[in-house]
Amino acid sequence: TQLLEQSPQFLSIQEGENLTVYCNSSSVFSSLQWYRQEPGEGPVLLVTVVTGGEVKKLKRLTFQFGDARKDSSLHITAAQPGDTGLYLCAGGKGTNAGKSTFGDGTTLTVKP
Amino acid sequence: NAGVTQTPKFRVLKTGQSMTLLCAQDMNHEYMYWYRQDPGMGLRLIHYSVGEGTTAKGEVPDGYNVSRLKKQNFLLGLESAAPSQTSVYFCASRRPLADTQYFGPGTRLTVL
Repeated sequence: TQLLEQSPQFLSIQEGENLTVYCNSSSVFSSLQWYRQEPGEGPVLLVTVVTGGEVKKLKRLTFQFGDARKDSSLHITAAQPGDTGLYLCAGGKGTNAGKSTFGDGTTLTVKP
Repeated sequence: NAGVTQTPKFRVLKTGQSMTLLCAQDMNHEYMYWYRQDPGMGLRLIHYSVGEGTTAKGEVPDGYNVSRLKKQNFLLGLESAAPSQTSVYFCASRRPLADTQYFGPGTRLTVL
């Protein structure tokens, strides 16, 4: 069984602070996705990383894929209350019917 | 486009009752998935389908059945509901070789 471990599980910070969320595995993935989920809704894709060492930026969010394609991180600069939500990472193998393995998620609360 | 829709949004069942959850997508996606989401456990794959008329077991298939009679619909059935099936159920779809999964809004099921 492929496992993706996310840390921390819960994070509560003040508006304007920076934070990093980690997604680690012992397995190699061909791609890794980060999703954000708000209460009462389904996950929405933020980004996909596919190349070892790849860094992608989405406004105040920076995503990095580890060199060995086993881990990833999400860094948020100057967090805002609108960033509050559940952040999920998911790893794909490329084939295998497009199935993804999801991490358990990080619940982020940004207080104004 | 409506994307991925799920029916119903909420349901309460008594132990032993049966029900069917409907997922519909209007994006002409080949692949469809059913997940359950429980607190602290992320998303776990129940069943999936790579095309009309085909289905396969995921990570946690016991107690569930599925059917994909039409490309746009993926049905999840519970023949004899158990309290352990209390969860939030998400349907998702994607194109082959694409990274993005599109999720529905979820169905919150409580089994008493």
